[in-house]
This record gives sequence, structure tokens and C-alpha cells, in this order.
Amino acid sequence: GQQLNQSPQSMFIQEGEDVSMNCTSSSIFNTWLWYKQEPGEGPVLLIALYKAGELTSNGRLTAQFGITRKDSFLNISASIPSDVGIYFCAGQLFGNEKLTFGTGTRLTIIP
Amino acid sequence: NAGVMQNPRHLVRRRGQEARLRCSPMKGHSHVYWYRQLPEEGLKFMVYLQKENIIDESGMPKERFSAEFPKEGPSILRIQQVVRGDSAAYFCASSHRDRGGSPLHFGNGTRLTVT
Repeated sequence: GQQLNQSPQSMFIQEGEDVSMNCTSSSIFNTWLWYKQEPGEGPVLLIALYKAGELTSNGRLTAQFGITRKDSFLNISASIPSDVGIYFCAGQLFGNEKLTFGTGTRLTIIP
Repeated sequence: NAGVMQNPRHLVRRRGQEARLRCSPMKGHSHVYWYRQLPEEGLKFMVYLQKENIIDESGMPKERFSAEFPKEGPSILRIQQVVRGDSAAYFCASSHRDRGGSPLHFGNGTRLTVT
């Protein structure tokens, strides 16, 4: 089946630093989504990408849908304490709404 | 809060008992998805339902697990004769379109513990 590999698995950064994480797939997707999950809660949608090459921002977050449709990255600028959590990428195919999730990137901010 | 509602938030069952997990989708959403998450892992797809129909159950274990989304009422994920390996967080998501490009919105999950 399809697999999504995220890197890095974990990040330890200082407040104010920029963050970059990416996601690669063995096959193409039509839609890429980025979610954030905090302890004890469900994933919350951050950004949705619908076209190859698309670059989309949501506040301090920026994500891009790779040209090959097999990868995506998420950047967070000027990190703040509330950015702590696990970030998941997810891919979706037309005609099949189910999402395939990546392995997650755990973000920790060092005081 | 018009989000996806799941209950109970926490469920403890002894081995051999049945677990019933409920999910009410967001208002206006007619598509429901169930995912399972083990500690420190990503979410794994289980089943995709529309009202009164199972669209894709490729992620459901062949035995003991079933799901429904009746015309009226919430979607139910049912696990019969639970075993310790069923302990996990079960998340429900909903969307409003039956074509690609409709993001899924998740509930806060039900954490099942089998003792």
C-alpha cells in the first residue's frame, strides 16, 4: 500500500527559530494535507494543498505541494511555545476520500 | 461547538466484552471515517461510510470489528470480544463531499483501554 515518510521524526528547537519538515510518498496524491495533533486531542487541519506546485500560507505556516505530487513540505516561521505538538502530513486521492497519514514529526520547543 | 463529536472520551473494557464507540459528524457532513492510532504512531484508516452505506472497509480487521452509519443517529464503531491489542485511540472524521479535495475534520477521539 501507499506509505508516507516524514522527516525528521522529532525536532528540538528554541523559541523563535524557523522549522522545516517534509513528507515523501512512494506514489502520487491529488491532495496533500497537514495536520497538528496535541496530546489527548484529535488532529487539527492546518493547511490543504490541491494543485501540484501550489504554495499556501496560513499565518506563520507555509506548505508546498511538490511538482511530482509525491512530496510536500511544511515550514513554521518564528516558532512559539504553542507550536509544540505532532505534525502529520496526509495524502488523498480523487474518488477516494480516505487519508493516508505520514509517520509524524514531533516538535519540542526548548525554553 | 459544531465539530465532530465522539463519545465516550475514555472507555475501559475487560477482555471479552464489547466496545461501542459513537461519532456524530459535523453539521452538513454525510461522510464518516474511522481511524485507529496506537501510541507514538500515525493514524491508520479503518473504514469509510456514507449514510447507510459502507464505502471502503479495507482497513477493518476481518473479525470482531464492524461499523455503521444509519440514516438517523451517530455512526457506531463496534468491537466485539475485545482483546488487549485493541487498546488504542479511535478517531472519527467527517467530510461533506464525495469527490476528492474535501478535507477531513477529526473529533477528539475515544481512548479504549482493555484490561
